[in-house]
Amino acid sequence: DAKTTQPPSMDCAEGRAANLPCNHSTISGNEYVYWYRQIHSQGPQYIIHGLKNNETNEMASLIITEDRKSSTLILPHATLRDTAVYYCIVRIGGGANSKLTFGKGITLSVRP
Amino acid sequence: GAVVSQHPSRVICKSGTSVKIECRSLDFQATTMFWYRQFPKQSLMLMATSNEGSKATYEQGVEKDKFLINHASLTLSTLTVTSAHPEDSSFYICSAGDRGGNYGYTFGSGTRLTVV
Repeated sequence: DAKTTQPPSMDCAEGRAANLPCNHSTISGNEYVYWYRQIHSQGPQYIIHGLKNNETNEMASLIITEDRKSSTLILPHATLRDTAVYYCIVRIGGGANSKLTFGKGITLSVRP
Repeated sequence: GAVVSQHPSRVICKSGTSVKIECRSLDFQATTMFWYRQFPKQSLMLMATSNEGSKATYEQGVEKDKFLINHASLTLSTLTVTSAHPEDSSFYICSAGDRGGNYGYTFGSGTRLTVV
């Protein structure tokens, strides 16, 4: 699976949008971009994934650049409960057998 | 949505004893489950891939005789840490995905193992 690069940390004010960047310049054509987050001492939580089109669900939006070499996860109205480590992962899509390789992620701190 | 139940959430054991951790998919069948380990302030590290009805696939550097994995049914995988030592103290997490399609895996809530 392609590697990803994320800044180590960022913060944002509560109620504002949090834009979390991720670089995946070596992504292959059949690899999807996945985002997970891990709140302290819990298991990771799936947020969203996409291939090349922008995606939106009840938690977040995922913006993937046209060349697919980078993406941005957007939390439209961050709350204190969104403070967590966010992982951007690329993996071959389809099926339940391809493993997820976690990098260091980005620590998002939402301040009051 | 899909739920993965992991037990126990915390366990303290004496050095030299074995500990079993269970991972169950509650509302779906999981052909494959994954086991991770996470040390403090570090990322998740994949230990092994558990396949229903067959032997697990271990990542490089993970001792298969020390971390026994059994995936006897489509809803249950177990990880047994044998002859545990203090250096095995860690946060163990399982994950599973439903068959087919593009989706995100569901993770268990993790097991905090402390070996004393």
